[in-house]
Amino acid sequence: EDQVTQSPEALRLQEGESSSLNCSYTVSGLRGLFWYRQDPGKGPEFLFTLYSAGEEKEKERLKATLTKKESFLHITAPKPEDSATYLCAVKGNQGGKLIFGQGTELSVKP
Amino acid sequence: DADVTQTPRNRITKTGKRIMLECSQTKGHDRMYWYRQDPGLGLRLIYYSFDVKDINKGEISDGYSVSRQAQAKFSLSLESAIPNQTALYFCATSDGGTGGETQYFGPGTRLLVL
Repeated sequence: EDQVTQSPEALRLQEGESSSLNCSYTVSGLRGLFWYRQDPGKGPEFLFTLYSAGEEKEKERLKATLTKKESFLHITAPKPEDSATYLCAVKGNQGGKLIFGQGTELSVKP
Repeated sequence: DADVTQTPRNRITKTGKRIMLECSQTKGHDRMYWYRQDPGLGLRLIYYSFDVKDINKGEISDGYSVSRQAQAKFSLSLESAIPNQTALYFCATSDGGTGGETQYFGPGTRLLVL
């Protein structure tokens, strides 16, 4: 059964304090790993798609990496506006469905 | 204008009432999805549709039904609402073809069943 586990559940950082969020997954035939950002009461906002181990993508202070078992979302010198819940999802060979993790709630204090 | 819109944005209803949540998209995507989000349970798939004639159940379809009226419109109905259907509901779309598998989400509908 396809499964996604994110850690930690919550992360509190000081502004400028770099860190990483983890997404561990098991999937039959990875067709994509997706990172989303979600602000309270809003829909998830697409950040990155990774397709194969070794792939990396960057956007501003965010960098996503992928191995065969997990993905990391690295946040460099975060700012308070980076505070949000970050969701990871995978798509395997089982049709067109995404399997989501529970999310990591990031809080960045000034 | 937003690519994926949902109406209403907030809804309060009573147990036993029938309600419909609507989703429209201007992205030109064939695939549409309905999810619900509950604290601590993450996003769970209710129904999905790969084209107008294709409707599929997700992991939590009991108590829900859907209608794909057109490529751009996908509605979710609660035939007889119950309190444990109180949640945040999201519609999403994806290309599914050469555009990739990325799903794009609407702003959500917050539903409270009393």
